[in-house]
Amino acid sequence: QKEVEQNSGPLSVPEGAIASLNCTYSDRVSQSFFWYRQYSGKSPELIMSIYSNGDKEDGRFTAQLNKASQYVSLLIRDSQPSDSATYLCAVNLKEYGNKLVFGAGTILRVKS
Amino acid sequence: NAGVMQNPRHLVRRRGQEARLRCSPMKGHSHVYWYRQLPEEGLKFMVYLQKENIIDESGMPKERFSAEFPKEGPSILRIQQVVRGDSAAYFCASSPPSGLARHNEQFFGPGTRLTVL
Repeated sequence: QKEVEQNSGPLSVPEGAIASLNCTYSDRVSQSFFWYRQYSGKSPELIMSIYSNGDKEDGRFTAQLNKASQYVSLLIRDSQPSDSATYLCAVNLKEYGNKLVFGAGTILRVKS
Repeated sequence: NAGVMQNPRHLVRRRGQEARLRCSPMKGHSHVYWYRQLPEEGLKFMVYLQKENIIDESGMPKERFSAEFPKEGPSILRIQQVVRGDSAAYFCASSPPSGLARHNEQFFGPGTRLTVL
């Protein structure tokens, strides 16, 4: 079982819709969870961090964490074509110290 | 520019040459991480350093790769005797000192794209 799993996609949504990106992780005692956005040929950009169960909202982005189910998600409201990118889920696995373990990423395509 | 800085942005080497990649962390950050992204693959952790100390090198290949973060100057990732399989994007990230709020948020530099001919 991979440590951090994401559906590779592509996930296609129409402009203005809600995009829902999902991630599961294997380590029950993980503490920190992150979503990065990576445009083609560019570096990952941190867009959300979440540390406790529940929802965290920042603008059009909402991160949801459920530690019991070992599940973290990212919702993007009012999706725009500029949101088209690869979204990387990253987990700070407790047994691995400070390093981040990344999922393979989900490709999001927002169609205008 | 207060962000993470990496240079060079593109590096071309022939097989057997050495590659040196540099990273200056974000201002106020004391932790540096190197990650590698192979074509069509995910980001993989390589090494975590603080000033003058290697904290975790569990992701570093056993041979030809080394990293340092001296007291003065940037962090250096060094690849000796490069092979074609080393062609990848190498990203550096930095985070604030432990104890600060959000200290484990890592911010990435623009990366160095290494091509081995």
